[in-house]
Amino acid sequence: NAGVTQTPKFQVLKTGQSMTLQCAQDMNHNSMYWYRQDPGMGLRLIYYSASEGTTDKGEVPNGYNVSRLNKREFSLRLESAAPSQTSVYFCAHGQVEGDTQYFGPGTRLTVL
Amino acid sequence: AQSVTQPDIHITVSEGASLELRCNYSYGATPYLFWYVQSPGQGLQLLLKYFSGDTLVQGIKGFEAEFKRSQSSFNLRKPSVHWSDAAEYFCAVGRNTGGFKTIFGAGTRLFVKA
Repeated sequence: NAGVTQTPKFQVLKTGQSMTLQCAQDMNHNSMYWYRQDPGMGLRLIYYSASEGTTDKGEVPNGYNVSRLNKREFSLRLESAAPSQTSVYFCAHGQVEGDTQYFGPGTRLTVL
Repeated sequence: AQSVTQPDIHITVSEGASLELRCNYSYGATPYLFWYVQSPGQGLQLLLKYFSGDTLVQGIKGFEAEFKRSQSSFNLRKPSVHWSDAAEYFCAVGRNTGGFKTIFGAGTRLFVKA
């Protein structure tokens, strides 16, 4: 599992509901990432954390917030879900930015 | 701006045939280059990467890729495809400098016919 767990695996929300996606890695890596994957668009970076205590926006941050709780855990929160956030979300981690990333199995989210 | 282009959205090859997936990048210096594979319903897994040195790199599952600086390309190859290679393949560009975010191509889906 590339040293990373994501929960939940599947989720269905109604428009306006909130939820938090959890990610934890056990490889003691510094960098952690949240991506969304949509058909034909590859992976788009939502937020990342280069090290514990820091977070920064990626390509598509609107509608999301993140928390780097400690070195292991990096959560993604949707405060008010919208149908446009229907996607597959991947957490990834790596020793340093720009280097190899290790991906979780993904969370498939549907917003009705 | 940095970018990664995978010109082929999908490719179909016969089992046992050779495979080449194309990747072109735009970056001012030599970046780190990666190929990842994603099987259906799974996360991405690293196939191989290039940082420096020999421009022909070997990866897992019998894949190799060649970095061609003059063409800004990093094409993935396999001499004989197996049915289990059917998946989506992503080329990516990275760099180990402060603030550089890895950029992924849109992916190429490989279909393998018997």
